[in-house]
Amino acid sequence: SQTIHQWPATLVQPVGSPLSLECTVEGTSNPNLYWYRQAAGRGLQLLFYSVGIGQISSEVPQNLSASRPQDRQFILSSKKLLLSDSGFYLCAWSGRGYEQYFGPGTRLTVT
Amino acid sequence: AQSVTQPDIHITVSEGASLELRCNYSYGATPYLFWYVQSPGQGLQLLLKYFSGDTLVQGIKGFEAEFKRSQSSFNLRKPSVHWSDAAEYFCAVGANTDKLIFGTGTRLQVFP
Repeated sequence: SQTIHQWPATLVQPVGSPLSLECTVEGTSNPNLYWYRQAAGRGLQLLFYSVGIGQISSEVPQNLSASRPQDRQFILSSKKLLLSDSGFYLCAWSGRGYEQYFGPGTRLTVT
Repeated sequence: AQSVTQPDIHITVSEGASLELRCNYSYGATPYLFWYVQSPGQGLQLLLKYFSGDTLVQGIKGFEAEFKRSQSSFNLRKPSVHWSDAAEYFCAVGANTDKLIFGTGTRLQVFP
């Protein structure tokens, strides 16, 4: 069966520091991969998605970036965090169907 | 453009009561429709999905949803709510793209 992992689970970072969040998927090949952000009490905002290695589509211009160095690995990065980057970050994957399967999330607090 | 509307931000029900969460979508053809549930601090879990065929779909945890083309709706129902059903519920639509469009969510509170 397929599983999706995210780490770290929680992160507290100062403003201006770099960020790296990692997502990996097991049990499937060539998945579509997605990064979402949830601000407190808000819905889901799609940040990036990828249909293959090295292929990244950005949905919202911001100081975040994403990379897909391997088929089942998706990384969210920032060179300098802003206070507004705080939130709950979710990674998801999809296969041939349209349904997406979500990871457990990373709670990021920028102080 | 596709869109999803969940008109109820917050719903409160008593344990054992029936539940219906509303979802309306905007799309020219038959979309793919989904309901997800999110407990606090956790990821989203897929409850059920509709692609085609029978318009009443059964999901996990005793939930069901009915696709009504004439009303552009895909409402989620449960005949008897349990306290563990308290969570945030998201409706989503997918249509010939690699992306899903999510509603803003409905927070369900269950009183004993």
